[in-house]
Amino acid sequence: DTAVSQTPKYLVTQMGNDKSIKCEQNLGHDTMYWYKQDSKKFLKIMFSYNNKELIINETVPNRFSPKSPDKAHLNLHINSLELGDSAVYFCASSQTDNSPLHFGNGTRLTVT
Amino acid sequence: AQSVTQPDIHITVSEGASLELRCNYSYGATPYLFWYVQSPGQGLQLLLKYFSGDTLVQGIKGFEAEFKRSQSSFNLRKPSVHWSDAAEYFCAVGARNQAGTALIFGKGTTLSVSS
Repeated sequence: DTAVSQTPKYLVTQMGNDKSIKCEQNLGHDTMYWYKQDSKKFLKIMFSYNNKELIINETVPNRFSPKSPDKAHLNLHINSLELGDSAVYFCASSQTDNSPLHFGNGTRLTVT
Repeated sequence: AQSVTQPDIHITVSEGASLELRCNYSYGATPYLFWYVQSPGQGLQLLLKYFSGDTLVQGIKGFEAEFKRSQSSFNLRKPSVHWSDAAEYFCAVGARNQAGTALIFGKGTTLSVSS
């Protein structure tokens, strides 16, 4: 059973489009995250939600909007995509905000 | 500000040789420390973690790490490397601020294993 699953695995789209990435965890964790991994493999947190409440919102353009319909889901919607948004986006979850993170396999977003 | 430094961008080790990956952190309080491994096209898998107690922690796949507060280090070691260990390795610190806690990652070390 997949613990943290993201869809789609690959996403290729043109500049200016709007796209969403979905994430679901079946671990019963209270906290979920979105991380961005750039072309140099540097991982940086974007958002953190605890039980559907936004906890961390790093310096991310407001074109990025996370949505958590319930504590098992944290989706990421991106408006007006730009070339610089190309990256791998990882969803993760943890039992508490100090527990180890469980990562999904990532979504590789390519903006052309 | 909290930060994690992995001084080695790329390391090549012969199969069967020992391995040490370096990690230094900057954090004002007692840190929560982690090592993750990322295989190509995959997500990150937790190798081991340090929260408190014994400063030498054992992880999966034969890895261990030692927390040294005086050196602000949390180096990862393995006595005998296997070809399947070739991957990207990330050190991370759990950093708490007013907004919550986030993992701050180092920039990673790429491990290549030669036969």
